[in-house]
Amino acid sequence: GAVVSQHPSWVICKSGTSVKIECRSLDFQATTMFWYRQFPKQSLMLMATSNEGSKATYEQGVEKDKFLINHASLTLSTLTVTSAHPEDSSFYICSARDHGQVNEQFFGPGTRLTVL
Amino acid sequence: GQNIDQPTEMTATEGAIVQINCTYQTSGFNGLFWYQQHAGEAPTFLSYNVLDGLEEKGRFSSFLSRSKGYSYLLLKELQMKDSASYLCAPMDSNYQLIWGAGTKLIIKP
Repeated sequence: GAVVSQHPSWVICKSGTSVKIECRSLDFQATTMFWYRQFPKQSLMLMATSNEGSKATYEQGVEKDKFLINHASLTLSTLTVTSAHPEDSSFYICSARDHGQVNEQFFGPGTRLTVL
Repeated sequence: GQNIDQPTEMTATEGAIVQINCTYQTSGFNGLFWYQQHAGEAPTFLSYNVLDGLEEKGRFSSFLSRSKGYSYLLLKELQMKDSASYLCAPMDSNYQLIWGAGTKLIIKP
């Protein structure tokens, strides 16, 4: 149980385009989902926390207008990188918290974004 | 502030035992997680400690001392597939995980 999927696994896009990444909890209800970014050889950086049905809470330094997060249902959250640039190339990972278990996050497999 | 301190890199021999130490400072505490992360992949859960003491799970064990802000992950009978980064992640009072850069473990034959 407690499986989280992400789609796509990897994406290559041209500078200036927008990219949408989906995060789904497959067998549980995720009231809270987290979006992380990880650059090579660096730690995971929390970008934002999203709660179903409400606006996401962004970490300091993360542009909310650039990284649009939508958590419209208990099983789906999306991250849209708008007007992507090469510096946005990174590994984006989502995690989800089960409705009944506040202490554990289940991670998706990640999405590798490369912006040319 | 909140911070995590782990060695950047460790090397061990196949079949041996290795201990990865972690010291932490957080605003509040709701337990500590250890994750394994292979290159290019997302973290996978290894262990969770919320009370002091040792938790054993197969070849992996994790220890916590809340008063010392200290934890370690013990890996026994090392296998080549254990080569990965190991992330110590305490959870703060807001139930947010605090991440360090992790320890890259290299296993040699």
